[in-house]
Amino acid sequence: RKEVEQDPGPFNVPEGATVAFNCTYSNSASQSFFWYRQDCRKEPKLLMSVYSSGNEDGRFTAQLNRASQYISLLIRDSKLSDSATYLCVVMNTGFQKLVFGTGTRLLVSP
Amino acid sequence: GAGVSQSPSNKVTEKGKDVELRCDPISGHTALYWYRQSLGQGLEFLIYFQGNSAPDKSGLPSDRFSAERTGGSVSTLTIQRTQQEDSAVYLCASSFDGSYGYTFGSGTRLTVV
Repeated sequence: RKEVEQDPGPFNVPEGATVAFNCTYSNSASQSFFWYRQDCRKEPKLLMSVYSSGNEDGRFTAQLNRASQYISLLIRDSKLSDSATYLCVVMNTGFQKLVFGTGTRLLVSP
Repeated sequence: GAGVSQSPSNKVTEKGKDVELRCDPISGHTALYWYRQSLGQGLEFLIYFQGNSAPDKSGLPSDRFSAERTGGSVSTLTIQRTQQEDSAVYLCASSFDGSYGYTFGSGTRLTVV
């Protein structure tokens, strides 16, 4: 079983739609959580951290459920420019390295 | 510099040759990471440097792979006797202290022919 699992998609949504991705992680000692965005043939870029209380950044909302060991990302009012692969990322206690999921691909169409 | 700089951006090499990939992290960042990403795959951890501590080499796939970080700044990833399965994008990232805010370079696309 992979340490971080994501639905690879693709998720095809029209502009303006709301879309949500989930991610599960297997290590209960995981301490930090992030969503990264990766455009085709580009490097990953930090989208947002995920806090226990949930957090929002504009159209993006991230949530963490430690009991069920999953993380979610909600995108409201999707834009064409949101088309990318969204990577769920976990950092485990004491290891100081990021463990990446394989990503969920989002395609937003006109 | 303002970001993480990697060179070369592209490298084509013949099977069996050695290659060196360079990473210049953001100034002041003590943590430096190497990952690789094969076509259509997720990021695979290779090695992690934090300050003067011994590096975490647990992700290096074989003894053909090695990395060093000189003076706590620039890092070089060396692959000896390259194989076709080494073809991938090699990404370097740095972080202020290893706990938050990793910034990636644009990567080196390695093709072994």
